[in-house]
Amino acid sequence: DAGVTQSPTHLIKTRGQQVTLRCSPKSGHDTVSWYQQALGQGPQFIFQYYEEEERQRGNFPDRFSGHQFPNYSSELNVNALLLGDSALYLCASSLAGAINEQFFGPGTRLTVL
Amino acid sequence: QQQVKQSPQSLIVQKGGISIINCAYENTAFDYFPWYQQFPGKGPALLIAIRPDVSEKKEGRFTISFNKSAKQFSLHIMDSQPGDSATYFCAAAMNTGFQKLVFGTGTRLLVSP
Repeated sequence: DAGVTQSPTHLIKTRGQQVTLRCSPKSGHDTVSWYQQALGQGPQFIFQYYEEEERQRGNFPDRFSGHQFPNYSSELNVNALLLGDSALYLCASSLAGAINEQFFGPGTRLTVL
Repeated sequence: QQQVKQSPQSLIVQKGGISIINCAYENTAFDYFPWYQQFPGKGPALLIAIRPDVSEKKEGRFTISFNKSAKQFSLHIMDSQPGDSATYFCAAAMNTGFQKLVFGTGTRLLVSP
């Protein structure tokens, strides 16, 4: 049973560019959450998708957007990249409607130069 | 009110000793309190979690103590081992049906041989 997978592992972009990160949830999970983890900090909630809709959103600008596909996989898009967007981006999957643990993927390390 | 405060920032414990990490929260609507363990280059992995209807939960060498009136909870690692050296995050979430984890800032634990 594959856990949460994310791609790519590492990514280097320059300021102003756009980036797309991808996530496949754990088998049987239908909800995907995205978190940003800056170096030396705890993960910060970006948003959460269920049934292909954004259900909750954290305190992130509209430059951050996402999508969930019918197979529950998800993408995180960041436009107009800033230096401060450099971080580890984590995807977590869970089952909606149940207080259950969130399983995290290994993350995508984004570096903005 | 959404914050979770974690201490200490770093901790050095001798092999066989007890590691203790503390967290405090403000929002009384939180009702799910997990602890995550993160190794370098990996995503956070759920260690143990507690709900406010119990004051303690033990799983192997890991114990959560929960004090609802003080709005505090702590992780105790008994018989700490070098393999426990990692960063530990406490988190909190509300029972809204769609979980959004609010993380502490993390504690870097080093268990010396």
